[in-house]
Amino acid sequence: DQQVKQNSPSLSVQEGRISILNCDYTNSMFDYFLWYKKYPAEGPTFLISISSIKDKNEDGRFTVFLNKSAKHLSLHIVPSQPGDSAVYFCAASAMRQGAQKLVFGQGTRLTINP
Amino acid sequence: DSGVTQTPKHLITATGQRVTLRCSPRSGDLSVYWYQQSLDQGLQFLIQYYNGEERAKGNILERFSAQQFPDLHSELNLSSLELGDSALYFCASTQLSGTPYNEQFFGPGTRLTVL
Repeated sequence: DQQVKQNSPSLSVQEGRISILNCDYTNSMFDYFLWYKKYPAEGPTFLISISSIKDKNEDGRFTVFLNKSAKHLSLHIVPSQPGDSAVYFCAASAMRQGAQKLVFGQGTRLTINP
Repeated sequence: DSGVTQTPKHLITATGQRVTLRCSPRSGDLSVYWYQQSLDQGLQFLIQYYNGEERAKGNILERFSAQQFPDLHSELNLSSLELGDSALYFCASTQLSGTPYNEQFFGPGTRLTVL
């Protein structure tokens, strides 16, 4: 049972345009959500997070939106740059007794075309 | 550079063997997590340690075990290796103090190939 799903394995966007990556979750106990970026042969790099008490969090070109009723979150990158080409993973956690294991989606490969 | 180090970077071994993967967390981080990423898969949580004690367990096989030492580095031991254990193994660390939610910082991973 996959609790975090990224239904688009890949996405191609023109440089300068908006990239929108989507993620759905099924576990209503999740209360913290994160996005990671991963380049080949490297570990995931933290991008941005949001707790369930918010519906939006912004950091520079990156904005994460959370729709709790739909159990859906999205990552917007504006404007998209060639260096943004990578695999993006969304992750969710439920903070319980100091345990914060992350449940990851399968990832979306983003390609920014010049 | 996340500040999390993992050794070795690559490991090639045979079925039935045992290997040890090592992780040093970021300075000041008390919690260490281990994840497995198989081909074309997302990262799967294996186990978490906090200040030397096991805190949470995921889909970790009985053939796998881990520990966190007093200096906070952690080791993941994989035994009786099978072909299907070939994967990338990532370690992550976080402070787990102060605010209740902390992002995890990942190391570069160890690529294990079982032949």
